[in-house]
Amino acid sequence: DIQMTQSPSSLSASVGDRVTITCRASEDIITFLNWYQQKPGEAPRLLIYVASNLQSGVPSRFSGSGSGTDFTLTISGLQPEDFATYYCQQSYSSLWTFGQGTKVEVK
Amino acid sequence: QVQLRESGPGLVKPSETLSLTCAVSGVSLSGDSWWSWVRQTPGKGLEWIGEIAHSGGTNDNPSFKSRVTMSLDKSKNSFSLHLTSMTAADTAVYYCARVEFTTGGKFDYWGQGALVTVSS
Repeated sequence: DIQMTQSPSSLSASVGDRVTITCRASEDIITFLNWYQQKPGEAPRLLIYVASNLQSGVPSRFSGSGSGTDFTLTISGLQPEDFATYYCQQSYSSLWTFGQGTKVEVK
Repeated sequence: QVQLRESGPGLVKPSETLSLTCAVSGVSLSGDSWWSWVRQTPGKGLEWIGEIAHSGGTNDNPSFKSRVTMSLDKSKNSFSLHLTSMTAADTAVYYCARVEFTTGGKFDYWGQGALVTVSS
């Protein structure tokens, strides 16, 4: 299985902050990396696909980058509705796997 | 718009089989997408269970040790998951999701989730 490791596991931030979350794959996944946002009691929501492509309807303050084994999700100008847990997921292998999540909390 | 909704029992006894159904609206199961099941537990986080194509072909996660069966009902535009030999470790929120492959593979639509508790 391809292991996905996110860091940090949680972070505290304020509205307006620039937030960066990192995801590392245990092997080269080229750019087959997706990012999701999940709020309590809700299903995950797709934000970014193939490392850097913004899903339709997702605000442009979200961006993704990276290739190979190291990837980043950036939120430029954190909004109140962005406090949530974020997950990466690889789609390189037919055995899809997720990172353990990064919780973005209010500072 | 595309909507998915899970249905099934909220409580399952140990050793029994879980049966969940996902009703899909806004898109036909007969298209190019695959249809997947993902579960979420506090301990293991998000875990992919398996997926089924419109042809009936399936892929599943080997960690479930052949306990997984999936099926389609095109007349009802729905698909189902059967997970045998349930234990307390299978207590989770179970999600159905669409897998869209035209741009990589991604879960672009999700159901609201169904909490399943395994207990006698």
